[in-house]
Amino acid sequence: DQQVKQNSPSLSVQEGRISILNCDYTNSMFDYFLWYKKYPAEGPTFLISISSIKDKNEDGRFTVFLNKSAKHLSLHIVPSQPGDSAVYFCAASEGGAQKLVFGQGTRLTINP
Amino acid sequence: GAVVSQHPSWVICKSGTSVKIECRSLDFQATTMFWYRQFPKQSLMLMATSNEGSKATYEQGVEKDKFLINHASLTLSTLTVTSAHPEDSSFYICSAQNPGEITDTQYFGPGTRLTVL
Repeated sequence: DQQVKQNSPSLSVQEGRISILNCDYTNSMFDYFLWYKKYPAEGPTFLISISSIKDKNEDGRFTVFLNKSAKHLSLHIVPSQPGDSAVYFCAASEGGAQKLVFGQGTRLTINP
Repeated sequence: GAVVSQHPSWVICKSGTSVKIECRSLDFQATTMFWYRQFPKQSLMLMATSNEGSKATYEQGVEKDKFLINHASLTLSTLTVTSAHPEDSSFYICSAQNPGEITDTQYFGPGTRLTVL
């Protein structure tokens, strides 16, 4: 039972354009969502988070949008840079990030 | 932010031996740490929640006698894979929450690659 799904295993975007990574969830009790970036053989690096009381959170080039009715969140990166190439995981939790449920990840490749 | 370290970064061992992995919070005290496992091309799966001074809470399907967790101090949790077998080969990652932060973000260590021959 995959409660958090990232349906696109990979995404390729041209440098300078917008990257949009998507994530869907099924558990309506999730109230906190996070995005992590991961390079091979390294631990995930926290990028940005959003709680269910908001529908948007921005931090520099990264913006996360939450659509609770659709149980969908997305991460926008603009402008995309070559250093953004990595695997991106979305994660969700209920009642605080005591137990994170991760999606399968999306490999983002930024082409020069 | 917060920094979490793991040691070793990689380990190769023979089948039947035990391996200990350390997870440390470097600039904060973590009452709770988490242990995850990631198999190739798969997502991170929570194995257990490590609580300082008490027994760890294991996720369904994770053998507590095989994966021994000790959280003896506020900055150190250890995971011991006992009697390791090739199927235990995986990428083990720990995380911790910084109680001094308003958000409940988990910060991850760099991970430990375990290969069992």
